[in-house]
Amino acid sequence: EVHLAESGGGLVQPGGSLRLSCAASGFTFSTYDMNWVRQAPGKGLEWLSHISDIGTTIYYANSIKGRFTISRDNAKSSLYLQMNSLRVDDTAVYYCARGALVPGAIRPNWFDSWGQGTLVTVSS
Amino acid sequence: QSGLTQPPSASGTPGQKVTISCSGSSSNIGSNFVYWYQQFPGTAPRVLIYRNNQRPSGVPDRFSGSKSGTSASLAISGLRSEDEADYHCAAWDDTLSGWLFGRGTKLTVL
Repeated sequence: EVHLAESGGGLVQPGGSLRLSCAASGFTFSTYDMNWVRQAPGKGLEWLSHISDIGTTIYYANSIKGRFTISRDNAKSSLYLQMNSLRVDDTAVYYCARGALVPGAIRPNWFDSWGQGTLVTVSS
Repeated sequence: QSGLTQPPSASGTPGQKVTISCSGSSSNIGSNFVYWYQQFPGTAPRVLIYRNNQRPSGVPDRFSGSKSGTSASLAISGLRSEDEADYHCAAWDDTLSGWLFGRGTKLTVL
């Protein structure tokens, strides 16, 4: 069974940093693209970043470009999001999401599995 | 680009058919697949419709998706109380090189 477990959330002051982790199990992590998606309280979903299966292709949303860095360690079946220069409006539940595996696809695929999310609160 | 456009709310009575719209542009819906996610309060989303109109295993055939030009819609027929949830549309945007979501539609079963 596919399982994604985020960790690393918490309370941080504006301007601070956090590193989120996502531990994957139940599938061959190194063959799947991965993503981070967040949801501010009472708001819709916002995609943040995509990383390809071996980490060679990375995309970021404009809202976090230059502040957040996505990475992965396939040996540890783990996905990461380094978040710097945090702002109050970064307060949200952060989800890791697996990209569906479609051979020959030329664009990233939909999110077929999600973690339960980790809450990040940016406040003074 | 602010995202895809969805109505904030929709409602229907049990047994009815409800349709939720999602509007975009030529760089997203107009040139890529549309996806729909269902989310219950306090839980993670799950994919409901992929590649415009495909249902993952386990999703009832009461749920259907369609796309025309730069718009898409999700239809739920035979509405049931357990369908009460938030529904989010999504599409890849070629200009942004990123995913866009709608702001979500809260479905209420009256």
